[in-house]
Amino acid sequence: QKEVEQNSGPLSVPEGAIASLNCTYSDRVSQSFFWYRQYSGKSPELIMSIYSNGDKEDGRFTAQLNKASQYVSLLIRDSQPSDSATYLCAVRDSSASKIIFGSGTRLSIRP
Amino acid sequence: ETGVTQTPRHLVMGMTNKKSLKCEQHLGHNAMYWYKQSAKKPLELMFVYNFKEQTENNSVPSRFSPECPNSSHLFLHLHTLQPEDSALYLCASSQAGTADTGELFFGEGSRLTVL
Repeated sequence: QKEVEQNSGPLSVPEGAIASLNCTYSDRVSQSFFWYRQYSGKSPELIMSIYSNGDKEDGRFTAQLNKASQYVSLLIRDSQPSDSATYLCAVRDSSASKIIFGSGTRLSIRP
Repeated sequence: ETGVTQTPRHLVMGMTNKKSLKCEQHLGHNAMYWYKQSAKKPLELMFVYNFKEQTENNSVPSRFSPECPNSSHLFLHLHTLQPEDSALYLCASSQAGTADTGELFFGEGSRLTVL
């Protein structure tokens, strides 16, 4: 059973600090990795995708991928209260037919 | 507005009812998905359609029956459901083929309650 693991949280971070969200996956040959943000009562929204080892930056968000360690993370700089949400890590499996989600990490930014 | 529209947004049905969920995407995508989201569980993939052909059925009970008449529309027909089927059902679309990035665009979901 291919799995994507996340700490469920809640993760509480002060406003203006860096929030660090982590994810591990079991399928060693996965090639595509995604972070989705889901506000309470809303549907998931794609915020980052990453396909190769290293860092990818987009505004206040940085995704980091380490395929050797089967680890992907999301950093949120200058955290804002509007960043409070559940963050879902997703991995496309080696057959490219399935995108498997973790159970999500609930992030709370405290003023 | 994500370009993926789901109706109805809320549905309450008895175990003997038959109902359908509808999804329409306006993004020009050619892959569509049904996911189930239950409390405190990861999103569960149910079905995948690529170019109108079903390419994935993730061991879903036959009381859920998908239909994809074209690349823009996806249905989930429901019959003889159980209370444990109560969940948020999410439709998503993506671009398959040579421009495939794996990025999913979700609709707002249909909240289903089975009594």
